[in-house]
Amino acid sequence: DAGITQSPRYKITETGRQVTLMCHQTWSHSYMFWYRQDLGHGLRLIYYSAAADITDKGEVPDGYVVSRSKTENFPLTLESATRSQTSVYFCASSDNQGPPLSPLHFGNGTRLTVT
Amino acid sequence: RKEVEQDPGPFNVPEGATVAFNCTYSNSASQSFFWYRQDCRKEPKLLMSVYSSGNEDGRFTAQLNRASQYISLLIRDSKLSDSATYLCVVKKPGTYKYIFGTGTRLKVLA
Repeated sequence: DAGITQSPRYKITETGRQVTLMCHQTWSHSYMFWYRQDLGHGLRLIYYSAAADITDKGEVPDGYVVSRSKTENFPLTLESATRSQTSVYFCASSDNQGPPLSPLHFGNGTRLTVT
Repeated sequence: RKEVEQDPGPFNVPEGATVAFNCTYSNSASQSFFWYRQDCRKEPKLLMSVYSSGNEDGRFTAQLNRASQYISLLIRDSKLSDSATYLCVVKKPGTYKYIFGTGTRLKVLA
């Protein structure tokens, strides 16, 4: 049961470069999410997707782009990386069974450093 | 007022102690609640969903108080391995969004 996997686990890049973080899930969950986690802020939603080709902005979308051409993949691209985007990024997925079910399931994260 | 609020702690308790955390939420229409555990900036892992009637999983008990708009997590017979940050998560009604509390740190001492 592969679940949800993120790659790379660690990434160092320079300011101004484009970076893509990958997320792949094997459960066929409808919903997928990207969060970033920074000290003092907790987990903040960047983008989410309800299905293939349906995406929407979260709390902190500026500087990020997402796509979802296939249900199982939800890549996150930093178009021109900035130091403020240094963070730990988590991808997550959930199904749609309705309350109180449908918890989030997380990938193991990507630690991104922008120099 | 924040949508989901937790006491950041830390809660330092001896092994074997019982400890409880509360989490308040602002939207009275919320229906889905969860507790997650997170170790040292690793990915959050689902500890338990919170059911209206309350639910138990081994040493862990979750309760929902709709009147006062909070959920609670009780840990009995604390183990050293319970040391972690516990995140309260509330699904925003009518949306696909999950709102996270900033977490409560627990340290179980030998």
